[in-house]
Amino acid sequence: DAKTTQPNSMESNEEEPVHLPCNHSTISGTDYIHWYRQLPSQGPEYVIHGLTSNVNNRMASLAIAEDRKSSTLILHRATLRDAAVYYCILSRRSQGNLIFGKGTKLSVKP
Amino acid sequence: ETGVTQSPTHLIKTRGQQVTLRCSSQSGHNTVSWYQQALGQGPQFIFQYYREEENGRGNFPPRFSGLQFPNYSSELNVNALELDDSALYLCASSLAGWEQYFGPGTRLTVT
Repeated sequence: DAKTTQPNSMESNEEEPVHLPCNHSTISGTDYIHWYRQLPSQGPEYVIHGLTSNVNNRMASLAIAEDRKSSTLILHRATLRDAAVYYCILSRRSQGNLIFGKGTKLSVKP
Repeated sequence: ETGVTQSPTHLIKTRGQQVTLRCSSQSGHNTVSWYQQALGQGPQFIFQYYREEENGRGNFPPRFSGLQFPNYSSELNVNALELDDSALYLCASSLAGWEQYFGPGTRLTVT
């Protein structure tokens, strides 16, 4: 399975945009890029996923590099509730199992 | 719409004992996956069930077993508990393995 690399931690100020990077240089053509987040004392929560094109939903945007070797999760206006561990995961739809790394711990300062 | 629920919330067992954890899937979801999350680590995939059949397994020994029932609820059974089995056990339901919806987890402590 292809591997992802994320920074261990990042800090943001409340109401500012946050760009969370993910490198996946060994991604294959059938790998979807998924982002999940885990708030303290909760199970992971689906955020967004994409294959090749940039994606937007009510929670975030996903920007995918043209060569697909990296992607960026964008939170447009961070709130204190966005403080969580964010996981970037590659998964083929047919498999379904998610391989989590250690993720990026995002801290949001008021 | 009811989300994924798990029971119990917390559990303390002794080494060598057996434990059963339960998961109730989100309505309409026919796939359930189980994950183990050690403190400070990301969740690790244990196995997945699709329509009552095991549909993939991670690197866990056979003493980790599971069941999925006709109503798509599920159980995780762990035999011969070891200290290293202490972790948060998460279940996630999905529709045909697409986006997964996680429960709050069961915190298992083995002493």
